Amino acid sequence: DQQVKQNSPSLSVQEGRISILNCDYTNSMFDYFLWYKKYPAEGPTFLISISSIKDKNEDGRFTVFLNKSAKHLSLHIVPSQPGDSAVYFCAASHSGYALNFGKGTSLLVTP
Amino acid sequence: DVKVTQSSRYLVKRTGEKVFLECVQDMDHENMFWYRQDPGLGLRLIYFSYDVKMKEKGDIPEGYSVSREKKERFSLILESASTNQTSMYLCASSGPGQPYNEQFFGPGTRLTVL
Repeated sequence: DQQVKQNSPSLSVQEGRISILNCDYTNSMFDYFLWYKKYPAEGPTFLISISSIKDKNEDGRFTVFLNKSAKHLSLHIVPSQPGDSAVYFCAASHSGYALNFGKGTSLLVTP
Repeated sequence: DVKVTQSSRYLVKRTGEKVFLECVQDMDHENMFWYRQDPGLGLRLIYFSYDVKMKEKGDIPEGYSVSREKKERFSLILESASTNQTSMYLCASSGPGQPYNEQFFGPGTRLTVL
């Protein structure tokens, strides 16, 4: 049973505009959330995270928002750049060890 | 920088063969993980280990086993490879001193079982 859901398999955005990637989760025990970015033929790389005690975390062009009541988080990329084109995975954890990953959203940033 | 290396980038095996996928990390991490990535299914956890000789089943352990004899090395074993195990296999590690739960991934091994 998928506990972390990314319902949009793909997203296309123009360079310079905002990219918004969404993620929903079902397990209210999750207390830490992460976003990973993956290029083809490479392993995922950590992008940004947020603890359940916060509702926003910002790192440069990347901001993650957490809405615990809706069990929803989103990743905002502003401004989007062609190098941001990749697959983005949302992940969540409550055990301290394993991460539950979503299926990923493929982002394409067009010039 | 944390480095996680995997023994092969590409591997082709035949059905029924025993397959070993090796993963080594150089940051003295306690926790190590094996995932497989398939189109439309994302990353699914096969096994993880939080200490030497310790292992825990993930979401899809069937058909796999693991070995962790040394802290830096975590092996994934396919006892008798089958075509439905054709996939991208990703190893990851995490430990103290890192942001809580941040895992560092290797480059992946693309396994094809014929």
